[in-house]
Amino acid sequence: GEDVEQSLFLSVREGDSSVINCTYTDSSSTYLYWYKQEPGAGLQLLTYIFSNMDMKQDQRLTVLLNKKDKHLSLRIADTQTGDSAIYFCAERLSAGNMLTFGGGTRLMVKP
Amino acid sequence: KAGVTQTPRYLIKTRGQQVTLSCSPISGHRSVSWYQQTPGQGLQFLFEYFSETQRNKGNFPGRFSGRQFSNSRSEMNVSTLELGDSALYLCASSLGVTDRNEKLFFGSGTQLSVL
Repeated sequence: GEDVEQSLFLSVREGDSSVINCTYTDSSSTYLYWYKQEPGAGLQLLTYIFSNMDMKQDQRLTVLLNKKDKHLSLRIADTQTGDSAIYFCAERLSAGNMLTFGGGTRLMVKP
Repeated sequence: KAGVTQTPRYLIKTRGQQVTLSCSPISGHRSVSWYQQTPGQGLQFLFEYFSETQRNKGNFPGRFSGRQFSNSRSEMNVSTLELGDSALYLCASSLGVTDRNEKLFFGSGTQLSVL
């Protein structure tokens, strides 16, 4: 079955690194994604990783994938107040755009 | 390039009524997907349309339906509204290529309140 879980809340200080974690249960995931949602807005794709990769870096963002433990993480370096938002991880199992999302992690960045 | 446009932005309906939501994808995108977002259930996939055909369907009752027009614009319809249908309905568009990673671009959503 498909189930994606995230912790609900994370608070960090401006300038620190943030690490948001996600676990999933379906080992047949093809791609895994991180989306950001700000209040009153839709979802913004931040980054993604193919299931045969371990790590992907994109400017301040680093995605780590541990396929054995079915664990995905997003590290945001030098976190800024503008990074305050809800972050969703999602997995794509098959062809098409049917994604399974986690419940979201609310990131609060304190000045 | 204009983004994904959803109309209306807000909608208030009463139980038993029906509602139609509209989504205009990014120019050149042929796939439109719909998601429901609620505080309790989170983000759930409703359905995906590609070239006017439903390509994938989530686990929602038949009261939820959709269609796609030849210009790729899509509508979703909810009949016999229930209080639990109150949600943010998000539309996402993409090129529609299935054999590689697809970037989904989301609209700002339609906030539906059922009274």
